Amino acid sequence: GAGVSQSPRYKVAKRGQDVALRCDPISGHVSLFWYQQALGQGPEFLTYFQNEAQLDKSGLPSDRFFAERPEGSVSTLKIQRTQKEDSAVYLCASSLGTGGHTEAFFGQGTRLTVV
Amino acid sequence: GESVGLHLPTLSVQEGDNSIINCAYSNSASDYFIWYKQESGKGPQFIIDIRSNMDKRQGQRVTVLLNKTVKHLSLQIAATQPGDSAVYFCAENTGNQFYFGTGTSLTVIP
Repeated sequence: GAGVSQSPRYKVAKRGQDVALRCDPISGHVSLFWYQQALGQGPEFLTYFQNEAQLDKSGLPSDRFFAERPEGSVSTLKIQRTQKEDSAVYLCASSLGTGGHTEAFFGQGTRLTVV
Repeated sequence: GESVGLHLPTLSVQEGDNSIINCAYSNSASDYFIWYKQESGKGPQFIIDIRSNMDKRQGQRVTVLLNKTVKHLSLQIAATQPGDSAVYFCAENTGNQFYFGTGTSLTVIP
């Protein structure tokens, strides 16, 4: 595709519900990042994949958050037993290179609202 | 941990004037920096980047300046247009992560 695609664009979940957010990176991009952006704040790093390997998950806020990229392309961010504080925009980015020193292209994000 | 902050949360400029957005970073080991523009409801959009072995880089209507001595970045936008209205973030790269500041909201007054 032409850019990073995320789905759904909007998700409303009841507290305690599990959610899955999908990211389709730019074809051929090796690196994939997930970020969480609270209202009025900058994106906060969650996790990083190089191909199918999750090399850094230091930003995941709790063990309720889980990310995977099994075939080194599409990635899914799963949040179990959602809480109100999980409400945020979840951004996915991909880049052609590795090591972070190349331009990262962002998707439009998934806005998660937990009620 | 690292922190990237912006000096001014909001900035208003007249259409046609030049804009300067500032950013301070704290990790002297950061060696790659990106400025992003984010419009409402959209993901961050790449504007310009700079590596730590450079002091200045120019793009179309934008210039980024890097002062490693005081750990400061600035984004200059020439002849600001209404379409430039957005939130601007600087991001610093260390290892596999990009660290973002809070952002500066730029409003262009017609």
